[in-house]
Amino acid sequence: GAVVSQHPSRVICKSGTSVKIECRSLDFQATTMFWYRQFPKQSLMLMATSNEGSKATYEQGVEKDKFLINHASLTLSTLTVTSAHPEDSSFYICSARPEPPGREETQYFGPGTRLLVL
Amino acid sequence: GDSVTQMEGPVTLSEEAFLTINCTYTATGYPSLFWYVQYPGEGLQLLLKATKADDKGSNKGFEATYRKETTSFHLEKGSVQVSDSAVYFCALSAQRIYNQGGKLIFGQGTELSVKP
Repeated sequence: GAVVSQHPSRVICKSGTSVKIECRSLDFQATTMFWYRQFPKQSLMLMATSNEGSKATYEQGVEKDKFLINHASLTLSTLTVTSAHPEDSSFYICSARPEPPGREETQYFGPGTRLLVL
Repeated sequence: GDSVTQMEGPVTLSEEAFLTINCTYTATGYPSLFWYVQYPGEGLQLLLKATKADDKGSNKGFEATYRKETTSFHLEKGSVQVSDSAVYFCALSAQRIYNQGGKLIFGQGTELSVKP
């Protein structure tokens, strides 16, 4: 159980285009999902917390107009990188936290999406 | 603020060697602690967890004990295999009651390479 999928797994796009990445919890409901960015050989950087039915909460320094997050249902969150540029090339990983909430705060991670902007 | 510190890698071991990856943390309150593993080109997989002091998490031969007195959560395995080669992340979950929203705070990761 507790499987999270991401689509696509890899995407190459031209500079200036927008790219949408989907994150789905397959066998559980997740009121809260998280989006991370990871550069090569580095740790994960939390970009934003996605809350079902409400606006996402962005971490300091993350442009909310560039990284649009929509959490339309209890099993789906999307991240759209708008007007992508080469510096947006990275590995994007989502995670989901099963509900109902409890003291345990385990997050389950998707397999990641490799974005390359040319 | 809350933070996690891991020993630096890369760590290179021979097959069947004993593994220890150190992890220490600073946190407000009583966080849950986790070890995640990332294989090349993949996302993170939960390896083990502990939710309160003195709890021992274990999975696939790996163990870690939540030590509040030393604020540590060191990862150990008695006999590593080549298939254990990956990057290991220690993390804590800040408690919601401290308005941290259950965010995971990661250490910098430790790359493990196991040679035959």
